[in-house]
Amino acid sequence: GQNIDQPTEMTATEGAIVQINCTYQTSGFNGLFWYQQHAGEAPTFLSYNVLDGLEEKGRFSSFLSRSKGYSYLLLKELQMKDSASYLCAVIWVTGGGNKLTFGTGTQLKVEL
Amino acid sequence: NAGVTQTPKFRVLKTGQSMTLLCAQDMNHEYMYWYRQDPGMGLRLIHYSVGEGTTAKGEVPDGYNVSRLKKQNFLLGLESAAPSQTSVYFCASSYRGTGNEQFFGPGTRLTVL
Repeated sequence: GQNIDQPTEMTATEGAIVQINCTYQTSGFNGLFWYQQHAGEAPTFLSYNVLDGLEEKGRFSSFLSRSKGYSYLLLKELQMKDSASYLCAVIWVTGGGNKLTFGTGTQLKVEL
Repeated sequence: NAGVTQTPKFRVLKTGQSMTLLCAQDMNHEYMYWYRQDPGMGLRLIHYSVGEGTTAKGEVPDGYNVSRLKKQNFLLGLESAAPSQTSVYFCASSYRGTGNEQFFGPGTRLTVL
């Protein structure tokens, strides 16, 4: 299977910038998603990276380095509503086709 | 558009009872998925479907069955519930396969006593 590592918890201050890292095994890699999940709610899509580099979407950006097996989600101008779990999910190629594996998520707490 | 809906939202079962969770999507998506989410485990794929009339096993299929008789519906069945199946169940759909974003339903919180 695909091993995905993300920090379990992070705390940041309103208005600040926070970077949430995700590392994964490079073998068979075929794309990476970031999802946001508020407590008691469904995950919602944030970003998709398949090529190296930075993808920017408003206050959120996602970066990928395929050779290093590394991605990060950058959240700028943090707001209280950004308190949520952030899930990294990796697509990897297997003999049975593409598979998607979710990490256990990083719980972000935004404080005043 | 309602997106992805799930029924019921909550359910309590006794060990050995059966139940069916219903998922419906109105986005004309080909792919549908059932996940379970447990603390510290992340989302794990139970079963999925790549189109009407098809189903396939995911990472943790034991104890569950599924059916996709209509494109818009994906049913998850528990034939004989066990306490280990206490979890939050999410249904999701995507236009095509793993390279497309998945749209998730609101979840079903199931407790098996």
